[in-house]
Amino acid sequence: AQTVTQSQPEMSVQEAETVTLSCTYDTSESDYYLFWYKQPPSRQMILVIRQEAYKQQNATENRFSVNFQKAAKSFSLKISDSQLGDAAMYFCAYGAGNMLTFGGGTRLMVKP
Amino acid sequence: SQTIHQWPATLVQPVGSPLSLECTVEGTSNPNLYWYRQAAGRGLQLLFYSVGIGQISSEVPQNLSASRPQDRQFILSSKKLLLSDSGFYLCAWSGGIGYGYTFGSGTRLTVV
Repeated sequence: AQTVTQSQPEMSVQEAETVTLSCTYDTSESDYYLFWYKQPPSRQMILVIRQEAYKQQNATENRFSVNFQKAAKSFSLKISDSQLGDAAMYFCAYGAGNMLTFGGGTRLMVKP
Repeated sequence: SQTIHQWPATLVQPVGSPLSLECTVEGTSNPNLYWYRQAAGRGLQLLFYSVGIGQISSEVPQNLSASRPQDRQFILSSKKLLLSDSGFYLCAWSGGIGYGYTFGSGTRLTVV
C-alpha cells in the first residue's frame, strides 16, 4: 500500500519569507499524481498545486512551487513571500487509480 | 461548472441516535465519491468510496454505513451513534484522479 509521510508536524515562517514543507511517499507505480492541499481554519480543503509524475518539470502556481524528485520519492512545497492567509494545515497527497492517499499534515504558522 | 454540496454544516446528536449526512454533486456525471473523517488537528481517514450507483467500498469497519441511491448523491449513515463518531466529516468527488478531489465544506459532528 502507498504511504505518504510529512515529517514536519508544525512549521513557522515570518511574513514575506519563504518556507518549504516536506513530503515523501512510497510507491511501486510509475504513473501517478501528487498534490498539495491547504486546509485553513474554516476546514475547507483547497487544492493548491498538482504534479504529474511523468513530467519532470516542477509545477508552479503563483507563490507556490514544488520540488519533485521522482527517484527519491520526494515532493516538497515551497511557499514564497508568505502571507498571513497562508496559515493553515497543508496535506500532501499521492494519487493513483481511484484514490488519493494523504499524509498526516503540516501545520504552518505565519508570524507577522 | 461542477459544485459539491454537503449538509448539515454542524450537528449535535445524542449517543444512540441515528445519523444521516448528505452530499450531492452538480455539473458532472458518474463521479467517484468519497467520505472522510478528520479528528481535530489530525489527518484524513477514508471511510467509504463509490465508483457508481449502489457500489460502496468500506475502508474501515465501524459504526457507519454509506449509500449511493443516485449517481450524484452520497449518504453517510449510522443507526446508533457512539461518542467516538464525533469528528469532522468531509465528502469529496473526483472525475479522474489526475485532477485530485474536490471537497465539500464539511460537517462538524458532535456526539454528546
